[in-house]
Amino acid sequence: QKEVEQDPGPLSVPEGAIVSLNCTYSNSAFQYFMWYRQYSRKGPELLMYTYSSGNKEDGRFTAQVDKSSKYISLFIRDSQPSDSATYLCAMGGDTGGGNKLTFGTGTQLKVEL
Amino acid sequence: GAGVSQSPRYKVAKRGQDVALRCDPISGHVSLFWYQQALGQGPEFLTYFQNEAQLDKSGLPSDRFFAERPEGSVSTLKIQRTQQEDSAVYLCASSQAYVRADTQYFGPGTRLTVL
Repeated sequence: QKEVEQDPGPLSVPEGAIVSLNCTYSNSAFQYFMWYRQYSRKGPELLMYTYSSGNKEDGRFTAQVDKSSKYISLFIRDSQPSDSATYLCAMGGDTGGGNKLTFGTGTQLKVEL
Repeated sequence: GAGVSQSPRYKVAKRGQDVALRCDPISGHVSLFWYQQALGQGPEFLTYFQNEAQLDKSGLPSDRFFAERPEGSVSTLKIQRTQQEDSAVYLCASSQAYVRADTQYFGPGTRLTVL
């Protein structure tokens, strides 16, 4: 079993929809949680970064962390075709892990006109 | 300023050849990471440098993989005697400081295809 599980999709939604992306993890020592967006043939770019349980909002994006359930989510409101990309959750800060990030497999999202 | 750059962007190698992949981190960034991303998968950690010191190489899949950062800036990932299973995108990331939680900025990757 992988440390971080993420539904690979693909997920297809109409423009303007609310998108929910999720990851579960098994290592309770993870301390910080990120969402990266990766366009085709590009490197990942950071979207959201959280330390603690709860919600963090940035524009159309909301990141949610529930450490008790080992579950994180990313919500995208008013989705746009430009949001079409692969979304990767990433975690780090576990004592034995040093500074490395552990990623999910990524969810491929397509927002259609 | 410029982000993380990697070269070459694409590399095709015949099985058994040696390859060298280069990473130029953001200027002044202390920490540098290499990740391997197989098709349809998330990046997987390979190795980590703090300045010129390689502090973690636990993710290197075999002794055919070797990384260096001799002057604490540019890094090279070398793969000897390439195998087909080495085909992947190799991503480099850098971060500004020593702290564990610092944001990692990724380059565009080098797509390696081993025939």
